[in-house]
Amino acid sequence: DTGVSQDPRHKITKRGQNVTFRCDPISEHNRLYWYRQTLGQGPEFLTYFQNEAQLEKSRLLSDRFSAERPKGSFSTLEIQRTEQGDSAMYLCASSPESNTEAFFGQGTRLTVV
Amino acid sequence: AQKITQTQPGMFVQEKEAVTLDCTYDTSDQSYGLFWYKQPSSGEMIFLIYQGSYDEQNATEGRYSLNFQKARKSANLVISASQLGDSAMYFCAMREGLAGSYQLTFGKGTKLSVIP
Repeated sequence: DTGVSQDPRHKITKRGQNVTFRCDPISEHNRLYWYRQTLGQGPEFLTYFQNEAQLEKSRLLSDRFSAERPKGSFSTLEIQRTEQGDSAMYLCASSPESNTEAFFGQGTRLTVV
Repeated sequence: AQKITQTQPGMFVQEKEAVTLDCTYDTSDQSYGLFWYKQPSSGEMIFLIYQGSYDEQNATEGRYSLNFQKARKSANLVISASQLGDSAMYFCAMREGLAGSYQLTFGKGTKLSVIP
């Protein structure tokens, strides 16, 4: 399968714990995006990488959130000291340089209890 | 003000019939792109169709077409010959500016149910 891959698909964690999600984009896609989707809403933009550089961050991305793309390939999104309000689907997408569309992964569903 | 408005929380359509999903948008940019994505219960966002603000013709992709009315700021999705597999959430989205990042603003979605 050559699509965008996200791991894990589901994560249940206790409030206060740290979690890390991984996204493997389509190979040779230099742009990578993270979105968050809560129940009954459309996805909301979190952050964007071009290669290894994080070029945009949403105000939604609080200090507890950090994203990396160290070698310009896969990316990780870490949430520290999780809160119940962090419960959501976290979607990753990638696109090539000259894009009119982005390809999304199946997401990681986070539940904070 | 919301940038993307989808006024239909849910829609029903008979199999093999056509259906229109509404989307209106708000932007002051001259250059922007409009997208429709399908999200089945599995969670993946599947790209359906794209319309650039300078495209003079309505976009079409197989059974999907986008009814773009720039003056009304609407970008309705038309699905022809509905199939049971079309049952899903449908999201309209906008990217302001045609270059640069792919920061999309999504609407709240419309849940489409196709009836056999």
